[in-house]
Amino acid sequence: GQQLNQSPQSMFIQEGEDVSMNCTSSSIFNTWLWYKQDPGEGPVLLIALYKAGELTSNGRLTAQFGITRKDSFLNISASIPSDVGIYFCAGQPSGGGADGLTFGKGTHLIIQP
Amino acid sequence: DGGITQSPKYLFRKEGQNVTLSCEQNLNHDAMYWYRQDPGQGLRLIYYSQIVNDFQKGDIAEGYSVSREKKESFPLTVTSAQKNPTAFYLCASSIKRRASAGELFFGEGSRLTVL
Repeated sequence: GQQLNQSPQSMFIQEGEDVSMNCTSSSIFNTWLWYKQDPGEGPVLLIALYKAGELTSNGRLTAQFGITRKDSFLNISASIPSDVGIYFCAGQPSGGGADGLTFGKGTHLIIQP
Repeated sequence: DGGITQSPKYLFRKEGQNVTLSCEQNLNHDAMYWYRQDPGQGLRLIYYSQIVNDFQKGDIAEGYSVSREKKESFPLTVTSAQKNPTAFYLCASSIKRRASAGELFFGEGSRLTVL
């Protein structure tokens, strides 16, 4: 199956810092999605991207669909304690339903007081 | 409120026993999915169903079984044939419309531990 490389694997930051993470793929995706998972809970959709070059914001979160359609980026500005969790990217190839969704292995965000 | 309910939250099983994890949704979604999550891993698809009375194997279906007798319900049975069943199991649903099919709504998960 398709492989998604998500980096970094984990991040230790100070409250108030900005955060950047990304996902790259060896193949072209038509949709990129970013999810956040709190400990012991199910993931929650943060941002969905459907067009190459698209830049979408959700509060302090901004995500971009790479122009090559093989990558996506998520930025979090001015991090706060509730941002702690695991962030997953997911990509969907052309014409597929969610059965074709591939998930990255996640970026574990830890905020030090 | 609409959502997905998984039960039980925690489950312990002895080797050789089958267990069934419940997943119920009241979002009126056509499609439902079961994923398995292991530490440090992404989500891996076990089974999915896009319509009542029909379901398809995902990437890691061996040792699992499902049924879809009602639109709202998609239970997962972890059988004794699953060699490494200890994991966090997530149920999800989505609207079947293709453009937003990747927008999954997840339950809170069920953690299965085999003793």
